Amino acid sequence: DIVMTQTPLSLSVTPGQPASISCKSSQSVLHSDGKTYLFWYLQKPGQPPQLLIYEVSNRFSGVPERFSGSGSGTDFTLKISRVEAEDVGVYYCLQHLHLPITFGQGTRLEIE
Amino acid sequence: EVQLVESGGGLVQPGGSLSLSCAASGFAFSNYWMYWVRQAPETGLVWVSRISRDGSTINYADSVKGRFTISRDNAKNTLYLQMNSLRAEDTAVYYCARELQWGWLDPWGQGTLVTVSS
Repeated sequence: DIVMTQTPLSLSVTPGQPASISCKSSQSVLHSDGKTYLFWYLQKPGQPPQLLIYEVSNRFSGVPERFSGSGSGTDFTLKISRVEAEDVGVYYCLQHLHLPITFGQGTRLEIE
Repeated sequence: EVQLVESGGGLVQPGGSLSLSCAASGFAFSNYWMYWVRQAPETGLVWVSRISRDGSTINYADSVKGRFTISRDNAKNTLYLQMNSLRAEDTAVYYCARELQWGWLDPWGQGTLVTVSS
């Protein structure tokens, strides 16, 4: 199984400040079709997860521009340029290339 | 409005069975792969199973293989998860989700809680 390792597991950020979450996969999630099947999901308190970023760096419909994804191969990063109060929750990376599909442990974002 | 609504959760004894349903509305259900993902209390997300548009391709996590059965009824716009031989470690909120494109799970239902305890 591909292990997805996120760091940090929690972070506390002042509104307006940036935040960054790392996700490392134990194997490459680059497919022969050229796409990298790495995704970011956010689970807000009391809600189901919602898709933020697909294929490393593409914002899903309705996701604010302050969210960005980057990386390649096995190292990926989610960045929030200026954190807002509504960004609180748990962020998960997900690899969808190999079965079983695997999530990172989650990173809890809190507002200071 | 695109919507997924899970039902069927509850309290069951170890070794027992439970059947979950996920009612889909607002989209052409038969055009999409569907997923089950679970979340144990205060822990992260774990993929459970998925099924292709016509039900011909099915995959399971090793932890549920042989005990859980995913299925769908495209005429009823409903996804199912039959869970047998339940264990305490199966206790979780179970979410269904639509796969828009490869890896794009959207939306997710609100989840249904399954508690396995004596």
